[in-house]
Amino acid sequence: DTGVSQDPRHKITKRGQNVTFRCDPISEHNRLYWYRQTLGQGPEFLTYFQNEAQLEKSRLLSDRFSAERPKGSFSTLEIQRTEQGDSAMYLCASSSATWTQYFGPGTRLLVL
Amino acid sequence: GENVEQHPSTLSVQEGDSAVIKCTYSDSASNYFPWYKQELGKRPQLIIDIRSNVGEKKDQRIAVTLNKTAKHFSLHITETQPEDSAVYFCAASRGNRDDKIIFGKGTRLHILP
Repeated sequence: DTGVSQDPRHKITKRGQNVTFRCDPISEHNRLYWYRQTLGQGPEFLTYFQNEAQLEKSRLLSDRFSAERPKGSFSTLEIQRTEQGDSAMYLCASSSATWTQYFGPGTRLLVL
Repeated sequence: GENVEQHPSTLSVQEGDSAVIKCTYSDSASNYFPWYKQELGKRPQLIIDIRSNVGEKKDQRIAVTLNKTAKHFSLHITETQPEDSAVYFCAASRGNRDDKIIFGKGTRLHILP
């Protein structure tokens, strides 16, 4: 499968715990994006990378959130001290120079 | 801030009829307008997109129109089929200058037998 992949697909955690998600983009795509989607809403932009550089972060991304793309390939999104309000689907997308963003299957996070 | 409004939030049409979803955007620098289809529990999938240098684009039963002056764009699905049932999201982006996509809240389309 040469599409965008994400791991894990589901995560249940207790409030206050840290979680980390991984995204593997389509190979050779230099741009990688993270979005968050809650029930009944459209995806909301969190941050994006061009190669290793993190170019923009949304105001939605509090200090508890950090994202990395150390070698310009896969990316990780970490949430520290999770809160119940962090429960959502976390979507990753990638693109090349064509502007089209291809989405992964998402990681569904439930914070108890 | 940037905003994309989408309506209706829910739309039911008889199989074989047409469906129209309308969106407006606030950022005048937007020049790329993709539409995504999301089935329950699945990833958003691009179904059609349009850039600001054209006013209309068609792909089989799906067409999108863009009015940059009014900041309106619409999705038209003709001869609807049961597999068209899903949530549809319109979106806007500045393209290469600022790639993040701003999504509307979605339209849940039901195709009635």
